[in-house]
Amino acid sequence: DTGVSQDPRHKITKRGQNVTFRCDPISEHNRLYWYRQTLGQGPEFLTYFQNEAQLEKSRLLSDRFSAERPKGSFSTLEIQRTEQGDSAMYLCASSLGAIGNTEAFFGQGTRLTVV
Amino acid sequence: AQSVTQLGSHVSVSEGALVLLRCNYSSSVPPYLFWYVQYPNQGLQLLLKYTSAATLVKGINGFEAEFKKSETSFHLTKPSAHMSDAAEYFCAVSAISGQNFVFGPGTRLSVLP
Repeated sequence: DTGVSQDPRHKITKRGQNVTFRCDPISEHNRLYWYRQTLGQGPEFLTYFQNEAQLEKSRLLSDRFSAERPKGSFSTLEIQRTEQGDSAMYLCASSLGAIGNTEAFFGQGTRLTVV
Repeated sequence: AQSVTQLGSHVSVSEGALVLLRCNYSSSVPPYLFWYVQYPNQGLQLLLKYTSAATLVKGINGFEAEFKKSETSFHLTKPSAHMSDAAEYFCAVSAISGQNFVFGPGTRLSVLP
């Protein structure tokens, strides 16, 4: 296991369609984070999991967004009824323990384009 | 609540010149502070982190940063810029209790030959 893996790397979808992204963290890492990054901006926190429990959700995460981490391993982020404003890079990160205590490893991201 | 400001969305330096990227933070609790680098179409890579030990932190690729509580700053420096340093740099803060990161807007570093 060489790092955090995200799939797909790129996704183009029509407005109104649903999309799902997958993140595979580093295997022993118990924390998993989702961030969104728009062009020219820093990453914005969306949500994080400790094992399979979703512990925090940003107010940025509207009802159209849902994230899961079954069995505390990989995670999925689903966006329903996509809007053009959802176009962004979606980044996943994982860490062992509290993020402030250890290094967080980021994946290469999934770039979503809604047309 | 935490927040981060980065002065200068774009910084240009000549190869071999000093690199100085500015970061100021706001935190209601003692913070952990981080610098990340992002190359085009890549994820973020940790350069260095401050976790309440030494105030001068050394990171990878010759970068270092100094935590100054009185100035609420955590500026990133490198004595001599290299062409390969051209990238986007993000400062981030986390509460010492260890929740999520809050990132600054980033500074794009260009290195001129």
